[in-house]
Amino acid sequence: SAVISQKPSRDICQRGTSLTIQCQVDSQVTMMFWYRQQPGQSLTLIATANQGSEATYESGFVIDKFPISRPNLTFSTLTVSNMSPEDSSIYLCSAGQGGALNTEAFFGQGTRLTVV
Amino acid sequence: QKEVEQNSGPLSVPEGAIASLNCTYSDQGSQSFFWYRQYSGKSPELIMFIYSNGDKEDGRFTAQLNKASQYVSLLIRDSQPSDSATYLCAVPSGGYQKVTFGTGTKLQVIP
Repeated sequence: SAVISQKPSRDICQRGTSLTIQCQVDSQVTMMFWYRQQPGQSLTLIATANQGSEATYESGFVIDKFPISRPNLTFSTLTVSNMSPEDSSIYLCSAGQGGALNTEAFFGQGTRLTVV
Repeated sequence: QKEVEQNSGPLSVPEGAIASLNCTYSDQGSQSFFWYRQYSGKSPELIMFIYSNGDKEDGRFTAQLNKASQYVSLLIRDSQPSDSATYLCAVPSGGYQKVTFGTGTKLQVIP
């Protein structure tokens, strides 16, 4: 299994500002993912971060709002830009391992974001 | 139809009973399936995966897969209050390492 360190673990931010969340994996992984989990909801995939190329965003999420960096095979960042109270959520970093039959997703501890 | 569907619950069972959690999926080509447990305020943690039809047992947990019916379940025997959590069914899609999660079933084990 992979160990994923995510920071900050929580933050309270003013609307209109931006927050960058960092995710560090203890081993090289091909793909990293960023999820959002709103209160009482399941995980929604924001984007897939590939090393050496632009992130792939899911429907409803755009690069201007959630820019992502993936400078190497062990690190990624997600920025939540121009925040509003609707962005208050838990943001989770994930890394995938394995092939088609046994792909597993491992998670960081999450970042609890509150926008006031 | 959602890709992965679960009953949101809450499912309440008495301590010591068997808890049965169910999940259906829409992609007939799905090969493997995962169960995650998420305690309130915490990140999901992987507890079981299965990719062959039938049952897979690990301690008090049994995963059951029926690909013909596109149905996967998780049984928790001898349920404990510490099992109270939300259980997420997950299915790899879109290139295998991308995982789609169900909405989760909240389990409450009553002492």
